[in-house]
Amino acid sequence: QVQLVQSGAEVKKPGASVKVSCKASGYTFTTYWIHWVRQAPGQGLEWLGWIDTKNGATNYAQKFQGSVTMTRDSSINTHYMELRRLRSEDTAVYYCTRGVLLSGRGAFDFWGQGTMVTVSS
Amino acid sequence: DIQMTQSPSSLSASVGDRVTITCRASQTITRNLNWYQQKPGKAPNLLIYGASSLQSGVPSRFSGSGFGTDFTLTINSLQREDFATYFCQQSYSVPRTFGQGTRVELK
Repeated sequence: QVQLVQSGAEVKKPGASVKVSCKASGYTFTTYWIHWVRQAPGQGLEWLGWIDTKNGATNYAQKFQGSVTMTRDSSINTHYMELRRLRSEDTAVYYCTRGVLLSGRGAFDFWGQGTMVTVSS
Repeated sequence: DIQMTQSPSSLSASVGDRVTITCRASQTITRNLNWYQQKPGKAPNLLIYGASSLQSGVPSRFSGSGFGTDFTLTINSLQREDFATYFCQQSYSVPRTFGQGTRVELK
C-alpha cells in the first residue's frame, strides 16, 4: 500500500533552517511528483511547491522562492523539504503529498502524517 | 493567484441531514477542483476530484458538482464520521490554492 512517512517534530530558533523528510513506499518512486503543503495552527492549507521526482525539477510558490528547497534521493525513495531563515510565522504542520492525474486532472491522493515545525526563541 | 472562497465557514448539522458546501474561484478553473476532508490531527483525505468524480473508497453519499467558478460539495445523509473540516482546492494553475475550510459540527 502507498505510504508517505515523514520525519519527527522539530523545534527551531528564528533564523535557523529545518529539513523535513518524506519516505515513500508502495509505488514506483519516480512516477509521481511530490508537493509540500503546510498548515499553521488552526488555519487553512498553504501550498509551498512541487518536485518532479524523475528529474528533480521544482516549482515553488512565489512566497517561498529563495527560502525553500525541495530535493529527493531516489536511492532511498525519500523526499526532502528545507526551509531557511525561519520566522515564528513558519510554525506549522508540514505535509508531503503525492500529486496524481485522475481523469487528466491534478489532485493529491496520498499524504504524509505531517511534521510539526515550531519556531520559537 | 486564484483565490478560493468557501461558504459557510462553519455549519451545525444532525446525523441524517443533507449538507451543502460551496466553493467559488476568483477566475475560471473549468473542472479542476478537488474536495478534501480533514479530521483533527490528521492529514487531509481526497474525496472528490475533477469537480464531480468520487475518489476510490469514498462513500457514495459524497458528491460534487460545478464548472468554471462555482462548485458544490454535497453530503447526503450525514453520518457521525463526517463531522470534520472540508477544503476545496484548485489544480488549474500554480500556485495551487485552497479554500479556507468549512467546519461541519454536530448540532
